[in-house]
Amino acid sequence: EAQVTQNPRYLITVTGKKLTVTCSQNMNHEYMSWYRQDPGLGLRQIYYSMNVEVTDKGDVPEGYKVSRKEKRNFPLILESPSPNQTSLYFCASSLSMGNIQYFGAGTRLSVL
Amino acid sequence: GENVEQHPSTLSVQEGDSAVIKCTYSDSASNYFPWYKQELGKGPQLIIDIRSNVGEKKDQRIAVTLNKTAKHFSLHITETQPEDSAVYFCAAYNFNKFYFGSGTKLNVKP
Repeated sequence: EAQVTQNPRYLITVTGKKLTVTCSQNMNHEYMSWYRQDPGLGLRQIYYSMNVEVTDKGDVPEGYKVSRKEKRNFPLILESPSPNQTSLYFCASSLSMGNIQYFGAGTRLSVL
Repeated sequence: GENVEQHPSTLSVQEGDSAVIKCTYSDSASNYFPWYKQELGKGPQLIIDIRSNVGEKKDQRIAVTLNKTAKHFSLHITETQPEDSAVYFCAAYNFNKFYFGSGTKLNVKP
């Protein structure tokens, strides 16, 4: 089954403790992206990747890192999480740029 | 960067009525406009999209219209059903990035 898989689905952590949210797709998609969703703000793009080893900033990249060492995986790294990063995070992938995006089920993160 | 505004934020209709959600964008370079439906506890799912070289697209009860001159695009749902109740997002794409509207919560009353 074609899908985008995020882990974990729920995460509670404390300020400053490094964490990684994993994202994997099995559709051989080139374009992958991370978003955060906050009430009243819709989805905002954090980082995107056009292909392996090619990543770039979205609208709200501060406090986040990403890497794309393999085509299928696109982890989101919070080196020193802060409470303002408490949010619902989505990973998405598409065959190429400017195409239909397929979203994961989301990761709800709480930073205390 | 691009700015996408979406209205209304909530919309309540009777089953069988039509629903219209409107979005405006600011950057004339935007060239791809998808619409997503998000059900509770799930990720957004594409329901229809349109590219800048097309003015209208229809898929059964769902249609999208695009006015490039006015920089706005709209989602039309006809003969609404209770299962259409969800949050809907519009988005605009340009220069490798997606910009989303703030969402519309649609409630279809049986």
